Amino acid sequence: EIMLTQSPGTLSLSPGERATLSCRASQSVTSNYLAWYQHKPGQAPRLLIYGASSRATGIPDRFSGSGSGTDFTLTINRLEPEDFAVYYCQQYGRPPLTFGPGTKVKIK
Amino acid sequence: QVTLTESGPALVKPTQTLTVTCSFSGFSLNTRGMRVSWIRQPPGKALEWLARIDWDDDKFYRTSLKTRLTISKDTSKNQVILTMTNMDPADTATYFCARMNVEFSLFDNWGQGIPVTVSS
Repeated sequence: EIMLTQSPGTLSLSPGERATLSCRASQSVTSNYLAWYQHKPGQAPRLLIYGASSRATGIPDRFSGSGSGTDFTLTINRLEPEDFAVYYCQQYGRPPLTFGPGTKVKIK
Repeated sequence: QVTLTESGPALVKPTQTLTVTCSFSGFSLNTRGMRVSWIRQPPGKALEWLARIDWDDDKFYRTSLKTRLTISKDTSKNQVILTMTNMDPADTATYFCARMNVEFSLFDNWGQGIPVTVSS
């Protein structure tokens, strides 16, 4: 099973700042099949990024993903108030599908 | 517009069976390639994939929970049902259903989740 770790656990930032979130895999993620999700309390999680760097439909271009192999990054440029949430990475290259523990982006 | 909504009990007793239902709209599980999964998140822990059912009624389960899980679908009602037997306090979690991408095993639409507590 591929284990995913995310850092930091919590990120305290102000609107307008840039958020850089890390996801590290215990083994190489096949074909960079790495996705990122945003989750706000009481809401359905939302797919942001797939294939490590492709934005899902309707996702603003301030969200970008990068990385390959075992190290992946989600960058949120110019944080908007609605971006404060928990972000999860997920690998879908090898079963079982696994998720990271999440990074909470909170308002400073 | 794709929507998924989970329903079921908020509280179950240890050893009981949990049945949660995912009611969806905006797609059909009769359509080739469509798949729906259940995922859970215990308090303070990571999301954990549990089970998947495909348009052709293929079913897949998390290995460690395989003996306790059953996933089924009612295409006439646009529902996917998950049952988990012999519930334990460790199964306390928010249970989500999600539609899976046709091509890749990622989740392109989720429900809001239903919190389930296992306690006597």
